[in-house]
Amino acid sequence: EPEVTQTPSHQVTQMGQEVILRCVPISNHLYFYWYRQILGQKVEFLVSFYNNEISEKSEIFDDQFSVERPDGSNFTLKIRSTKLEDSAMYFCASRLNRVPLYEQYFGPGTRLTVT
Amino acid sequence: DQQVKQNSPSLSVQEGRISILNCDYTNSMFDYFLWYKKYPAEGPTFLISISSIKDKNEDGRFTVFLNKSAKHLSLHIVPSQPGDSAVYFCAASEGNAGNMLTFGGGTRLMVKP
Repeated sequence: EPEVTQTPSHQVTQMGQEVILRCVPISNHLYFYWYRQILGQKVEFLVSFYNNEISEKSEIFDDQFSVERPDGSNFTLKIRSTKLEDSAMYFCASRLNRVPLYEQYFGPGTRLTVT
Repeated sequence: DQQVKQNSPSLSVQEGRISILNCDYTNSMFDYFLWYKKYPAEGPTFLISISSIKDKNEDGRFTVFLNKSAKHLSLHIVPSQPGDSAVYFCAASEGNAGNMLTFGGGTRLMVKP
């Protein structure tokens, strides 16, 4: 069964450093998402991406964040200058463009630890 | 932001019995609802969904009920199995182009053998 994959599974970085989290969505999916979950808190939406552009973003997704689909398979989240409060699990998700089926399929996550 | 709430942080059920997980929402623009299951160190796994034009959707042991007037949905698992032990999240979407999901805080289900 096709699945969303994410690398790395765990990333440790120092405050102020740039990190890139990588995702390979399910191959025939057209919408791509990033979410995060800070320990003990809810899963929060960051950004959605469709047709090579951001379709929605949350207040969390400020100028320090960017997303890119550099080729036909990868979808990346870059944090330019990490802060301690960026420590969280980051989940990538994807879905088909098939109304009215809006199910999003999630990857296993990348645990980001900022020290 | 409490647009989607799961008021029970945990639920314990005996194997073979019914598990009922509840979820309330406040945003009347939500028109699509989903349930996800999550094991530790894994991503959320899609279980079942329901559109606001329906009040029930069934898939095997899982049934989701939607009460739009009460802004309430529930997930029924019957019969419950020990492998169902996980954290269950409800999520809601406004059905717009981006379809961002708004998640509840989760309910930890423990099914005892």
